[in-house]
Amino acid sequence: AQSVTQLDSHVSVSEGTPVLLRCNYSSSYSPSLFWYVQHPNKGLQLLLKYTSAATLVKGINGFEAEFKKSETSFHLTKPSAHMSDAAEYFCVVSEETSYDKVIFGPGTSLSVIP
Amino acid sequence: EAGVTQFPSHSVIEKGQTVTLRCDPISGHDNLYWYRRVMGKEIKFLLHFVKESKQDESGMPNNRFLAERTGGTYSTLKVQPAELEDSGVYFCASSPGGTGGSYEQYFGPGTRLTVT
Repeated sequence: AQSVTQLDSHVSVSEGTPVLLRCNYSSSYSPSLFWYVQHPNKGLQLLLKYTSAATLVKGINGFEAEFKKSETSFHLTKPSAHMSDAAEYFCVVSEETSYDKVIFGPGTSLSVIP
Repeated sequence: EAGVTQFPSHSVIEKGQTVTLRCDPISGHDNLYWYRRVMGKEIKFLLHFVKESKQDESGMPNNRFLAERTGGTYSTLKVQPAELEDSGVYFCASSPGGTGGSYEQYFGPGTRLTVT
């Protein structure tokens, strides 16, 4: 069965330092992968997506993620954290039997310390 | 362009009562999805409409939940009767026509349902 693991439920970084949010997935095929962000009292917003094109994907607000098939990982990074990055981040994978159906990871809450 | 909207933003009801959640997708989007996040758990898929037809309702927890999308525009999700375990945040999302995982789903802000 497919699954998505986000290894850290909470990450705390200082403003201006790099951000790394980890995501691993299990799948027997090549899925589509997404990162979504949810700020307090807001809807989920797409940060970036991987759909079998370039393995290094650039998203909005300076975020990027690299698809590594050998490691079944899709970690999210940003060189320098900003206070506005504080939010909850979800790694999402398309389901094997239906590309329209997606599976969410449990989420990682990111805190940014001034 | 208006995004996905959901109403109400928050609903508090007593066990046994009925609640109806509404989702207005982005205009022209054929696909409409409902998800739910129960406290402390992952966001889970509930069902998927393509226009007015239910494409996949495998995630609906039980027959107390009824989703409709009359005319292929807005959708409602009714819970009747509500139970304590139904508390959580209900998200709606929409995407353009066609299938394929490359289509981004646009999410609404969610409805927080509290059953007491």
